Amino acid sequence: SAVISQKPSRDICQRGTSLTIQCQVDSQVTMMFWYRQQPGQSLTLIATANQGSEATYESGFVIDKFPISRPNLTFSTLTVSNMSPEDSSIYLCSVASRGLETQYFGPGTRLLVL
Amino acid sequence: KNEVEQSPQNLTAQEGEFITINCSYSVGISALHWLQQHPGGGIVSLFMLSSGKKKHGRLIATINIQEKHSSLHITASHPRDSAVYICAGGYNKLIFGAGTRLAVHP
Repeated sequence: SAVISQKPSRDICQRGTSLTIQCQVDSQVTMMFWYRQQPGQSLTLIATANQGSEATYESGFVIDKFPISRPNLTFSTLTVSNMSPEDSSIYLCSVASRGLETQYFGPGTRLLVL
Repeated sequence: KNEVEQSPQNLTAQEGEFITINCSYSVGISALHWLQQHPGGGIVSLFMLSSGKKKHGRLIATINIQEKHSSLHITASHPRDSAVYICAGGYNKLIFGAGTRLAVHP
């Protein structure tokens, strides 16, 4: 199994500011993902965080708005840039790897933008 | 287009009842995950299935590849089972269903 921690667990931010969310996993994993869950909605994949190269973004998400770093196999950050109230969501990271039977999710970061 | 559909959207049960949540998925999805999300937002992975059946405690998940259908069963339900249950298709890049909100009353 894999144990994932996220920081911060929640935050309230002002419009126009940026927030960086950290994701730390207790073992080296091949794949790390960032998801968004808007209020009342299911999860949507933002991007796959690739170690040593640029993240791969899904349709509707761009690097300028959601820059991602992954400096090593156990850590990644997601920045929500120039925030607006529409960015209020739960942001979750998850990991998957050969040898892990399934995908593991972090506890999430609950973001409210005023 | 890959899609995942769940039913029912909401489910209310009395403690002890047998519960079934259903999930249908489209062509192109070769594995199915069942996830549990509690009110705080945290998600726990329950099962990943590509064939057959898996059991963990009171939870049972089945998948029928020919019919592209999976079910999650909860036996002897308990109020602590109250949560949103989500099915998601794919191995790594997941496509999520809308979720089933389950409330089990004592």
